[in-house]
Amino acid sequence: SAVISQKPSRDICQRGTSLTIQCQVDSQVTMMFWYRQQPGQSLTLIATANQGSEATYESGFVIDKFPISRPNLTFSTLTVSNMSPEDSSIYLCSVLLQGKAYEQYFGPGTRLTVT
Amino acid sequence: GQNIDQPTEMTATEGAIVQINCTYQTSGFNGLFWYQQHAGEAPTFLSYNVLDGLEEKGRFSSFLSRSKGYSYLLLKELQMKDSASYLCAVLPFSGGYQKVTFGIGTKLQVIP
Repeated sequence: SAVISQKPSRDICQRGTSLTIQCQVDSQVTMMFWYRQQPGQSLTLIATANQGSEATYESGFVIDKFPISRPNLTFSTLTVSNMSPEDSSIYLCSVLLQGKAYEQYFGPGTRLTVT
Repeated sequence: GQNIDQPTEMTATEGAIVQINCTYQTSGFNGLFWYQQHAGEAPTFLSYNVLDGLEEKGRFSSFLSRSKGYSYLLLKELQMKDSASYLCAVLPFSGGYQKVTFGIGTKLQVIP
């Protein structure tokens, strides 16, 4: 298993500002992801955070809006840039572990409200 | 692309058994996840099925039929704390770029 922490747990931000969310894992993992979950919705993958190279973004998400860093195998950051109220959501860091089978674990999430 | 379907809501009685179905159509398939998510919390990993058949973990069991693109999560001896959303998700590829795709989730309400 993996234990994941995220900071901040929640924030209220003004339109046009940026927020950086940190994700720390208690062990080295290869596969790390950032998801967004809007109220009452399922999880949408934003990007795969690649260690040592640029993140791989899903359709509808771009690096200028959601820059991601992955300096090592235990840590990643997601920045939500130039925020608008539509960015209000829960942002979740996740890791995928591959052993005998796959297991996926999530951080507690960052609840972002943009006013 | 990926298409994952599951009922949006279900209600069941405390002590009973409930089956939550999930069907999927994906371009490539490795395995299927089930997660539990209580309101306001992050999803919790329940199971990962690769092979056809039923896998049991205590009160929770998960079934997979790869040929039918079908899975279900079976919850026995329901407890009030089982009220949560249950998410079905598919891992499409077995190597290289991995990406888990989620269904919309089934909100289960357990009533006394």
